[in-house]
Amino acid sequence: GEDVEQSLFLSVREGDSSVINCTYTDSSSTYLYWYKQEPGAGLQLLTYIFSNMDMKQDQRLTVLLNKKDKHLSLRIADTQTGDSAIYFCAENSGGYNKLIFGAGTRLAVHP
Amino acid sequence: NAGVTQTPKFRILKIGQSMTLQCTQDMNHNYMYWYRQDPGMGLKLIYYSVGAGITDKGEVPNGYNVSRSTTEDFPLRLELAAPSQTSVYFCASSPAGQGHGYTFGSGTRLTVV
Repeated sequence: GEDVEQSLFLSVREGDSSVINCTYTDSSSTYLYWYKQEPGAGLQLLTYIFSNMDMKQDQRLTVLLNKKDKHLSLRIADTQTGDSAIYFCAENSGGYNKLIFGAGTRLAVHP
Repeated sequence: NAGVTQTPKFRILKIGQSMTLQCTQDMNHNYMYWYRQDPGMGLKLIYYSVGAGITDKGEVPNGYNVSRSTTEDFPLRLELAAPSQTSVYFCASSPAGQGHGYTFGSGTRLTVV
């Protein structure tokens, strides 16, 4: 079946850039998403990219999509302690806006 | 504007007991979903609904049932709780069509002992 893979942990220093990577398998996915989950909370949509785009920028967030390699990345510029959370990559698959999620990358930001 | 509301937030069940996890949304979204989140495993789709009266199985439906009698409500029923159903359950909704992000509830943490 379709699958989404992410590394499980990333540690960065405050003020540095963070890059979270994701690979997916469904080449027919039309949208790819990044969600953020803070402790004890549900997932919150951060940003998304349409499959015919290579890049999308939204304030401190930059999403890069390499459709040939089925690789998606999320760059967070000037990472702050408030960015500490779990970040989930997701692809839409199988219609009706159903999403397949990766296991999540835990981002730890230290001084 | 409440968004997606889930109740209860926490629950402990004994093996074999039944319960219903409640989910309601006030955004008039057609699509609703139930996911479970296990540590290190991401979210797995249990059931989804594309409108009142229409439901379908996701990736991991065994041991669960759903109904969708109204646009707003999408309850998830566990009939005979098993330890394998210990998880965090999230309800989500979205407008119809592709390209819409989900609005998630805050989750229900269920422990089966």
